[in-house]
Formats: sequence, structure tokens, C-alpha cells
Amino acid sequence: GAVVSQHPSWVICKSGTSVKIECRSLDFQATTMFWYRQFPKQSLMLMATSNEGSKATYEQGVEKDKFLINHASLTLSTLTVTSAHPEDSSFYICSAFDREGINPAGELFFGEGSRLTVL
Amino acid sequence: RKEVEQDPGPFNVPEGATVAFNCTYSNSASQSFFWYRQDCRKEPKLLMSVYSSGNEDGRFTAQLNRASQYISLLIRDSKLSDSATYLCVVTSTGTASKLTFGTGTRLQVTL
Repeated sequence: GAVVSQHPSWVICKSGTSVKIECRSLDFQATTMFWYRQFPKQSLMLMATSNEGSKATYEQGVEKDKFLINHASLTLSTLTVTSAHPEDSSFYICSAFDREGINPAGELFFGEGSRLTVL
Repeated sequence: RKEVEQDPGPFNVPEGATVAFNCTYSNSASQSFFWYRQDCRKEPKLLMSVYSSGNEDGRFTAQLNRASQYISLLIRDSKLSDSATYLCVVTSTGTASKLTFGTGTRLQVTL
């Protein structure tokens, strides 16, 4: 089945540094990928929709200059957390929709997630 | 009011029990509905889609009630491996491109 790979799984960084997270669709092309953030015991919150070859669409309240998204190819989207602070510590998950899959309703596949800890 | 609401639980049930979760949604224009399963510190994985006619997959049965705007998930003969958080997911577009997640219901199946 379709697979979405996310890297790194874990990252610890100092406050003020930038962290890049990669999301790849391994066996299908994803013109659209989604980035979510999940704090402990809370639901996944959509941060932005990443569109191949164009600018990302950010949800209300998400700073586009802080969370830089690049979707340069049909299989790769990156999220860069710039000048990270402790409050950015969270579980970041990407996903991609495989519209060509066998599930007629379509299926959203998730990456394994990246746990960011900012010291 | 949240767009998608779930009882966070936890639901603690013995192995072999039947357990049901409900989820309510506020947008009457919602079109697609799903149940996802999320294990601790893992990514969500699709458990099943929910259709108007209801659908069953082994021990799992999902129902949709559009009039009351809720969906349900029934798990029969619970297994230890069913312990997880079950996320109710709703979309408001036909393309299912933007999903809204509930906070999830935590299920703990015990011996």
C-alpha cells in the first residue's frame, strides 16, 4: 500500500535554532500534502496544506514565516520550524492523500511523525 | 462548540467486551466520515470509512446518523490489541482533502 515516510523521527534542538522535517510519498505522487501538529492528549491540528509547485495554505493562527513549507516535487514536502522555542515542542505529522489508491473513498496516509523537543 | 467532539475516555473494558464510541460533528455539510486508530506516539491509521448505510469490518461496525449528526464505532469481542486512541474524522468537502479530527477516545482493554 501507499507509504509516507517522515524524517527525522526525533529531534532535540536548542532554542533559537531551525529544524527541517521531511515528508516523502514513497510509491505515489502527492500534489498535496498536509502538515499537522499534535500536543499531548490533544487532537491533530492542521497547520497547513502544502501544494506542489505553489505556496502553502496556512490555517488561521499558524505563522507562515515561522513554519516554512516547501513542496518542490511530487514526492517531497518539507517543514522548517524557524527560530524554534520550547513552546514549539510537539509531534509534527505529515500526510498525503492517495487519490489513485484502491479505496474508493480515498485514503489519507500519515508519516510516522517527528517529535520535536526544543530546549 | 468544537467541530468534532468525542468523549476522551478512557474506556476501560475487559477482554471480550463490546464497547461503543460516539462522535458528534457540528457542520451539517460534512460529507465524509472516518474512524482512525492512533497508538501511543504513533501516526494515525485508517480503521474504516463510515457510510450512510453503515458498514462492518470483522469485529468493527460503524454507523452514521446524519439527522443527529453523529457517527459511532462498535467494537465486539475486544482484544488487548484494540487498546489505542480512536479518532473520529470528518471532512466538509467531497474531495476529502481537509480533515477535521476529534480529540480521540482512549480505549484500554484489560485481562
